[in-house]
Amino acid sequence: DAKTTQPNSMESNEEEPVHLPCNHSTISGTDYIHWYRQLPSQGPEYVIHGLTSNVNNRMASLAIAEDRKSSTLILHRATLRDAAVYYCILRASNFGNEKLTFGTGTRLTIIP
Amino acid sequence: KAGVTQTPRYLIKTRGQQVTLSCSPISGHRSVSWYQQTPGQGLQFLFEYFSETQRNKGNFPGRFSGRQFSNSRSEMNVSTLELGDSALYLCASSTVGTGGWETQYFGPGTRLLVL
Repeated sequence: DAKTTQPNSMESNEEEPVHLPCNHSTISGTDYIHWYRQLPSQGPEYVIHGLTSNVNNRMASLAIAEDRKSSTLILHRATLRDAAVYYCILRASNFGNEKLTFGTGTRLTIIP
Repeated sequence: KAGVTQTPRYLIKTRGQQVTLSCSPISGHRSVSWYQQTPGQGLQFLFEYFSETQRNKGNFPGRFSGRQFSNSRSEMNVSTLELGDSALYLCASSTVGTGGWETQYFGPGTRLLVL
């Protein structure tokens, strides 16, 4: 599986935007970029995913570099409930590849 | 729609014993994956079942096994427990497991403590 690199930790003030970076220089042309997050004492939850174009949903936005070697998860207005570990994961498109390879993720702290 | 449920939520066992954990996927989901989470190793993939067949397997010893029933419910078993098996065991389900664009939905996990 192609690897991703994320900062170990980040801090942000409440109600401000947060940009979480992810490098994936060995991404293949058919790999999807997924983001999951894990809140304290919970299982991971899906946040967003994309292939080539930027994506928006109710939780966040995903900005993908033109060469696809990096991406950024954007939380438009962070709240205390967004404090979690965020994982950037690459997923191959072949059928039956259900394995998620988690890295160490970025621990996001929100400052009130 | 009910989410992924896992039972039991907490479990204490002693070394040498065996344990069975259960996972009920979201209704209609046919793929069930299991993960182990420890402070030292993070989240690691154990195996994935689809239509009662193990389709993917991680790098864990044979003491870790699983199965899936016709209703897509899954169980994982750990035999001859070791102290290092203490972990949070997470189950995740998805519709047909196409990879790529598909989302996995995680349960709350079973926290296993081996004494």
